[in-house]
Amino acid sequence: DAKTTQPPSMDCAEGRAANLPCNHSTISGNEYVYWYRQIHSQGPQYIIHGLKNNETNEMASLIITEDRKSSTLILPHATLRDTAVYYCIVSWAGTASKLTFGTGTRLQVTL
Amino acid sequence: NAGVTQTPKFQVLKTGQSMTLQCAQDMNHNSMYWYRQDPGMGLRLIYYSASEGTTDKGEVPNGYNVSRLNKREFSLRLESAAPSQTSVYFCASSDRRRVDGYTFGSGTRLTVV
Repeated sequence: DAKTTQPPSMDCAEGRAANLPCNHSTISGNEYVYWYRQIHSQGPQYIIHGLKNNETNEMASLIITEDRKSSTLILPHATLRDTAVYYCIVSWAGTASKLTFGTGTRLQVTL
Repeated sequence: NAGVTQTPKFQVLKTGQSMTLQCAQDMNHNSMYWYRQDPGMGLRLIYYSASEGTTDKGEVPNGYNVSRLNKREFSLRLESAAPSQTSVYFCASSDRRRVDGYTFGSGTRLTVV
């Protein structure tokens, strides 16, 4: 699986959009970009994933550059409850595939 | 809908003792996984089971064994616990196409003294 690079930490004011970047320059054509988050010491929570098109769900939006070498997770209106570690993971989707977690970005949402 | 259930939630072991961590999912998922997370670190894959009847090693399998008992249950066994195995253990499951990503349990916090 391709490796990813994320900033170790970011701050965001409550109510503002949080834009979390991820670089994955060695991504291959059949690999997806997944985002998970881990709030405090709970189990990680799936947020969103995409292959090459931008994706949106009730939690977030995922913007993938045209060359697929980087992506941005957008939380449109961050709240204090969004304070967490966010993991960007690149992996192919299949029965035997597995996710490799890095150290992620610690997002702190403040008043 | 309970999702992924892990037992126990907390455990303290003495060095050399053995124990089994239990994991069960009720989402009819094919694949199941065991991860460990050390303080300040990301999750590392110990073992996984792509489908019922199969298991494979992950990144850090030494000192562990697993059993995919049936489609619902995937257990992790420590035969002779060591202090280096002090960690938080997470079980996860996913469907064949992983459309909704992995679903994780709430973790087992294990301390080996």
